[in-house]
Amino acid sequence: AQKVTQAQTEISVVEKEDVTLDCVYETRDTTYYLFWYKQPPSGELVFLIRRNSFDEQNEISGRYSWNFQKSTSSFNFTITASQVVDSAVYFCALSGPIRNYGQNFVFGPGTRLSVLP
Amino acid sequence: DAGVIQSPRHEVTEMGQEVTLRCKPISGHDYLFWYRQTMMRGLELLIYFNNNVPIDDSGMPEDRFSAKMPNASFSTLKIQPSEPRDSAVYFCASRPGTSGPYQETQYFGPGTRLLVL
Repeated sequence: AQKVTQAQTEISVVEKEDVTLDCVYETRDTTYYLFWYKQPPSGELVFLIRRNSFDEQNEISGRYSWNFQKSTSSFNFTITASQVVDSAVYFCALSGPIRNYGQNFVFGPGTRLSVLP
Repeated sequence: DAGVIQSPRHEVTEMGQEVTLRCKPISGHDYLFWYRQTMMRGLELLIYFNNNVPIDDSGMPEDRFSAKMPNASFSTLKIQPSEPRDSAVYFCASRPGTSGPYQETQYFGPGTRLLVL
């Protein structure tokens, strides 16, 4: 069975601090995909990034960066120089191979990030 | 490009009434998903369609829930009769088919916030 754990339920930081959101996953598939979504207070779910299991390169997009480590089954998300607008709930998600897609798309419980001015 | 469109954005109804939620997926996407989000249970997949055909409805909580996709650009989720415990945010998501980049990525609509009194 697939599982995603986000151990940090809530995090509070002061603006301009760096913050890392942890995501640990479990899967028996050799091909799988990892995602991060952002849910701001307005409620919509915004896709941030997707990574496949064969690509362990870290990715940076502006103040956001992602660290994928298969050895520890982790896909952590770091926000550098956080801003108040980063306040949201962040979800990590995992899907299996396309042929099993519907059955194997799993969301973590989410981490609520509060960035204080 | 327009994203996933959901209507209504908010719905308040009384117990026993019929509720119909609507979704228009991103044009060209072959898959459509209905999710429910509550504080207690997080994001739950209710049902998903591939090319308008329901593939997996194992997440539909009860016979009171039904979903249809009469064509590639429209889907409904109906609750009849509604109960207070159905109060939640209902998301629709779509994803591309089985080829091309980001085929595994789900794109979410803004959600419908349902309150059953």
